[in-house]
Amino acid sequence: GEDVEQSLFLSVREGDSSVINCTYTDSSSTYLYWYKQEPGAGLQLLTYIFSNMDMKQDQRLTVLLNKKDKHLSLRIADTQTGDSAIYFCAESPLSGSARQLTFGSGTQLTVLP
Amino acid sequence: DAMVIQNPRYQVTQFGKPVTLSCSQTLNHNVMYWYQQKSSQAPKLLFHYYDKDFNNEADTPDNFQSRRPNTSFCFLDIRSPGLGDAAMYLCATSRYTSGNEQFFGPGTRLTVL
Repeated sequence: GEDVEQSLFLSVREGDSSVINCTYTDSSSTYLYWYKQEPGAGLQLLTYIFSNMDMKQDQRLTVLLNKKDKHLSLRIADTQTGDSAIYFCAESPLSGSARQLTFGSGTQLTVLP
Repeated sequence: DAMVIQNPRYQVTQFGKPVTLSCSQTLNHNVMYWYQQKSSQAPKLLFHYYDKDFNNEADTPDNFQSRRPNTSFCFLDIRSPGLGDAAMYLCATSRYTSGNEQFFGPGTRLTVL
C-alpha cells in the first residue's frame, strides 16, 4: 500500500530557511500536498503540486518534487515563530471515487527566537 | 467565515457511553470525510461520503458509524467508546469534480473517562 514518510522534528532559528522533507512510495501519486497543523487545530492546506511539475513557488513557500526518487520537500524562507507547527505531507492517486489522502506522520517544526 | 464547522470542539464521554460528533459545511461540497488523529500521529481516514454514497475504510472498527442526512451535515457516531478511541476527530470536505483540496474543520477532541 501507499506509504508516506517524514522526519519527526526540525528546529531552525527565526529568519533562517526551513526545509521539510518527505518521501512516498506510490508511483501513481498525482497530487502531493503540504498541510500545516497548529496546536489544537485542524489541518490547513499550504500548497500542493501536481506530479508533472518539478517546482512550485508561493510567496515564502517553495515545493520541490523529484518524481524519480519520490521525494518532496517544502522550503519556508525567512521562517517566523508563527510558522511553528506540525507539517504533514500527503499524496493522492489519480484513481478513486474521491480524493483519498495518505498522510505522513508529520514534522514538528520549532522556530527558535 | 467558517467553512467546515465541528461541534463540539471538546467532548468528554464515559467508557461505553454512545457519543455523536457533528460536522457541517457551507461549501456545498460533494464529499465529506471523517478522520481520526491520535497524538503525534497522522490523520487516519475512517470513512467518507460521496454525496449519499457511504465508503467505509476496511480497517475502521464497527464501533464507528456515520450519517449524512443532507449535503451540509455529517455525523460520527461512536456506539461504545473505549479508552483507545480518545483522539482528535477531524472532518473534511472536498468538491470532487473541481479540485483536489480537502478543507478541514478545527476538529473535536474526544476524551473517554
